[in-house]
Amino acid sequence: RKEVEQDPGPFNVPEGATVAFNCTYSNSASQSFFWYRQDCRKEPKLLMSVYSSGNEDGRFTAQLNKASQYVSLLIRDSQPSDSATYLCVVNIANSGYALNFGKGTSLLVTP
Amino acid sequence: DTGVSQNPRHKITKRGQNVTFRCDPISEHNRLYWYRQTLGQGPEFLTYFQNEAQLEKSRLLSDRFSAERPKGSFSTLEIQRTEQGDSAMYLCASSLVVGDEQYFGPGTRLTVT
Repeated sequence: RKEVEQDPGPFNVPEGATVAFNCTYSNSASQSFFWYRQDCRKEPKLLMSVYSSGNEDGRFTAQLNKASQYVSLLIRDSQPSDSATYLCVVNIANSGYALNFGKGTSLLVTP
Repeated sequence: DTGVSQNPRHKITKRGQNVTFRCDPISEHNRLYWYRQTLGQGPEFLTYFQNEAQLEKSRLLSDRFSAERPKGSFSTLEIQRTEQGDSAMYLCASSLVVGDEQYFGPGTRLTVT
């Protein structure tokens, strides 16, 4: 079983829609959580860290449920420029804090 | 530009040849990571350094792979006797402190023919 599981999508939504991505992780020792965005043939770029209390950055809201080992990302008022692959990432202390990535969820926002 | 840089950006090589990639992390970051990404997959961890010390290697890092960070600044990743299965994007990332966000370079895309 892969350590970080995501629905690969693709999610095709119209501009202005709200879209939610979910992610589950298997290692209860996971300590840090992130969402990265990756455009086609580019490097992953940090979108936001995810804190236990949940956090928001503009149109993006991330939530963490450690009991259920579940991470989510909500995008409100989606824009065509949000089209990308969204990678759920966890960071495990006893593996040197290397990042464990999900396969990513593909999002296409059409005008 | 003070981000992570990688060279070359693209490398095409014939099977059996050796290749070397370079990564220059963000200057004050003492942790440096190498990842590999193939099509349709998320990046997979290869190895990491704290300053010049290589502290962990993934089982993905076969004996043909070696990485160095001789002065605790830039790092090199060498692949000997390349195989077609080595074709991938090789990504380097750095972070300031343990557990902190990692920032990625643009990657080196390797194609083994």
